[in-house]
Amino acid sequence: AQSVTQLGSHVSVSEGALVLLRCNYSSSVPPYLFWYVQYPNQGLQLLLKYTSAATLVKGINGFEAEFKKSETSFHLTKPSAHMSDAAEYFCAAFYNQGGKLIFGQGTELSVKP
Amino acid sequence: ETGVTQSPTHLIKTRGQQVTLRCSSQSGHNTVSWYQQALGQGPQFIFQYYREEENGRGNFPPRFSGLQFPNYSSELNVNALELDDSALYLCASSLSGTGAHEQYFGPGTRLTVT
Repeated sequence: AQSVTQLGSHVSVSEGALVLLRCNYSSSVPPYLFWYVQYPNQGLQLLLKYTSAATLVKGINGFEAEFKKSETSFHLTKPSAHMSDAAEYFCAAFYNQGGKLIFGQGTELSVKP
Repeated sequence: ETGVTQSPTHLIKTRGQQVTLRCSSQSGHNTVSWYQQALGQGPQFIFQYYREEENGRGNFPPRFSGLQFPNYSSELNVNALELDDSALYLCASSLSGTGAHEQYFGPGTRLTVT
């Protein structure tokens, strides 16, 4: 079955530290991959997307993600965390069957001053 | 460019009642998808509408139904509400037929069933 796994339901970093949020997908055929951010009581905002054009994808707010087919991973990184980055982050995969996005369980990012 | 809007923002219903949630897609988008997000979980796909027809469905019972209108707006209807239906319902719009698969989400409707 198609699935997306996010390792770590909660990640805490200090302001200015590296942010690394992990995502793995299960498929022999690489899907389209996305990272979304959700602030409290809000909908999902698209951070970035992988569509096979380039393995390193840059998104908004200084985030980027690297697609590694050999590891079936699409980890999200940011060199220096800011307090405003505190939110819930979701990795999602789009498979062509049925048009649906499959989401991971989410990772809550906390940023300490 | 108008983003995805949803109404109402919050809703409280009693078990057994019926509810209708509404969504207006982003301008230029022709496809609407609905997701259910339970507390502390990732969104779960309910169904998708394209050209006013259901284009895919997740693992939800038939009491979850929908409509898409000619202007691409959409409704999600849930009959015989159960306590477990309490969740944030997200609508997402996209443009099918272009190879771009990103979906843009509205702010959601928070449904509480008591």
